[in-house]
Amino acid sequence: GENVEQHPSTLSVQEGDSAVIKCTYSDSASNYFPWYKQELGKGPQLIIDIRSNVGEKKDQRIAVTLNKTAKHFSLHITETQPEDSAVYFCAASYPNTGKLIFGQGTTLQVKP
Amino acid sequence: KAGVTQTPRYLIKTRGQQVTLSCSPISGHRSVSWYQQTPGQGLQFLFEYFSETQRNKGNFPGRFSGRQFSNSRSEMNVSTLELGDSALYLCASSLALGVGQETQYFGPGTRLLVL
Repeated sequence: GENVEQHPSTLSVQEGDSAVIKCTYSDSASNYFPWYKQELGKGPQLIIDIRSNVGEKKDQRIAVTLNKTAKHFSLHITETQPEDSAVYFCAASYPNTGKLIFGQGTTLQVKP
Repeated sequence: KAGVTQTPRYLIKTRGQQVTLSCSPISGHRSVSWYQQTPGQGLQFLFEYFSETQRNKGNFPGRFSGRQFSNSRSEMNVSTLELGDSALYLCASSLALGVGQETQYFGPGTRLLVL
């Protein structure tokens, strides 16, 4: 079925440390994998995305890696800052049904 | 450019009533999608509209419906409200290719509470 598993559900790190969030998907046809950050009272905001023809993508302190064989992808945040505290969602496209399926979210807390 | 706007931001209704939520996409965006967000089920896809036609649909009962106007603005309607419909309803817009094909930009959501 259409499923995206996301781990961990909560993550607490010290400011300056790195944070890693992992997701797995079920459909080998999935070809688009965005990551969203949602702050309290706001809608999700895209922070980075990757397509299936790319293994890794970086944008300053944020990077995403994709392993198509294992059907998993990860978000890496380096040098975390208190303003990185939020809920992060991964998602995977399901082209056969035209849907974007979201993971359950990870609450990241960065302690100063 | 203005972002995706949703009205109203907060809404309280009672069981059995119906509700209509509105979404204005980013200027130039023609695809509008709706999602329901709850603590238990997370973010779930409701439906997507493009050129005034429903292009894709999620696994929600027929009480949930939507439409899109010629200016790409969209509305969703929930009839015969149930307590379990309490949620944050999010609208997202993208240029044209739609869900899973291009970046979607989310609005702030409408918080619906059903009593």
